[in-house]
Amino acid sequence: QSALTQPRSVSGSPGQSVAISCTGTDSDIGNYDFVSWYQHHPGEAPRFIIFDVNKRPSGVPDRFFGSKSGNTATLTISGLQPEDEADYFCCSYAGINTLYVFGSGTKVTVL
Amino acid sequence: QVRLVESGGGVVQPERSLRLSCAASGFNFNHYPMHWVRQAPGKGLEWVAIISYDGSEKYYSASVRGRFYISRDNSRNILNLQMNSLRPDDTALYFCARAPNSAWHDFDSWGPGTLVTVSS
Repeated sequence: QSALTQPRSVSGSPGQSVAISCTGTDSDIGNYDFVSWYQHHPGEAPRFIIFDVNKRPSGVPDRFFGSKSGNTATLTISGLQPEDEADYFCCSYAGINTLYVFGSGTKVTVL
Repeated sequence: QVRLVESGGGVVQPERSLRLSCAASGFNFNHYPMHWVRQAPGKGLEWVAIISYDGSEKYYSASVRGRFYISRDNSRNILNLQMNSLRPDDTALYFCARAPNSAWHDFDSWGPGTLVTVSS
């Protein structure tokens, strides 16, 4: 069982927006602003798309937006494109004993 | 261009050992901490281990501590994961990933993974 809870799937039409939640606890998301997000097309290497809750690495389009409220982080993808169809995972720092926890993953389907 | 390529996966019997490797290229390998992360079939990602840029610090998840050992050879740009006393629940796709030296909690480049199946 993954430490962070994500919806199993979300879907949207091209051009629409989708939001993926990532729920943790006071020991991880709620206590640190070290939330990151990864896009994974199965069979390929995962891609780093958000760090420190809401920062984008170079080359990641601004359609990808990260946020956090309490123990829940959210990835919003606006202007959905066919290539956005993939699995998305969140991750949070969880302190010196556990270190890093990942989410269960969300499959985004572009209708 | 950063490139990470894992190897060494395969089918192994319970209680046996397996050694995974990750070949790095396109960056100064000896400047970066490195992670192993795994994904069991149909499941989410699970962090496994991290090693500092010079190999002096190593940390493990509770599920593998005492059975798995992370190491690196900076002269050959290779990251390793020695996996001992393997169990069926270690079956997973194993990824190596790079961390920025100032942000060990990020995984900024990944390989495509190597599959480990533990089964009798």
